[in-house]
Amino acid sequence: QITLKESGPTLVKPTQTFTLTCTFSGFSLTTPGVGVGWIRQPPGKALEWLAVIYWNDDERYSPSLKSKLTLTKDTSKNQVVLKLTNVDPVDTATYYCARHVTAAPVLGAFDIWGQGAMVAVSS
Amino acid sequence: EIVLTQSPGTLSLSPGERATLSCRASQMLSSSYLAWYQQKSGQAPRLLIYGASNRATGIPDRFSGSGSGTDFTLTISSLEPEDFAVYFCQHNGASPFTFGPGTKVDVK
Repeated sequence: QITLKESGPTLVKPTQTFTLTCTFSGFSLTTPGVGVGWIRQPPGKALEWLAVIYWNDDERYSPSLKSKLTLTKDTSKNQVVLKLTNVDPVDTATYYCARHVTAAPVLGAFDIWGQGAMVAVSS
Repeated sequence: EIVLTQSPGTLSLSPGERATLSCRASQMLSSSYLAWYQQKSGQAPRLLIYGASNRATGIPDRFSGSGSGTDFTLTISSLEPEDFAVYFCQHNGASPFTFGPGTKVDVK
């Protein structure tokens, strides 16, 4: 069974940095074609893709958020960490991690999602 | 960056009716790289369709996807009570992997 779970702070002050950890099981981030991505959703709004890191250490970031985001992975712990710097209230959202498989047949769809972690940015 | 537009914003239907949701891309897409997700209230999104027309594991056959180029469609042949939700399309060919704004299917 494949699972992913997000963990991290629930409340962060503006201008601070926060990190979210995605801990997964049932697959390996050393398998060719496999990645873990992050997607967020402000309350009542649409999904926004943030970033993805792949088995070969390739990283992709949303152009609008590239300067604020950093991804790292620890394959021994089956974890991917998202760091977001200089946060603002507009960064208030539920943050999801999801498996991203570039190989056939799903060819890049996010096929398995975590339950999400709500982070509020407020003073 | 590819921009995805979904219509309508809200679709009000009754159980048993057919739902047709549209997703339009700002530039040509390979149909291999268009996905649809379902999100029920308070839950994480779930992959429904990948490659424009392929159902993900465990997805009932009342869900179908079609389309090519810039125009894609998700069809629910006969709405079940559990199908009332928000549906997002997404392109996953090359980053940035943008999502559409979503279509809410609610009970008429």
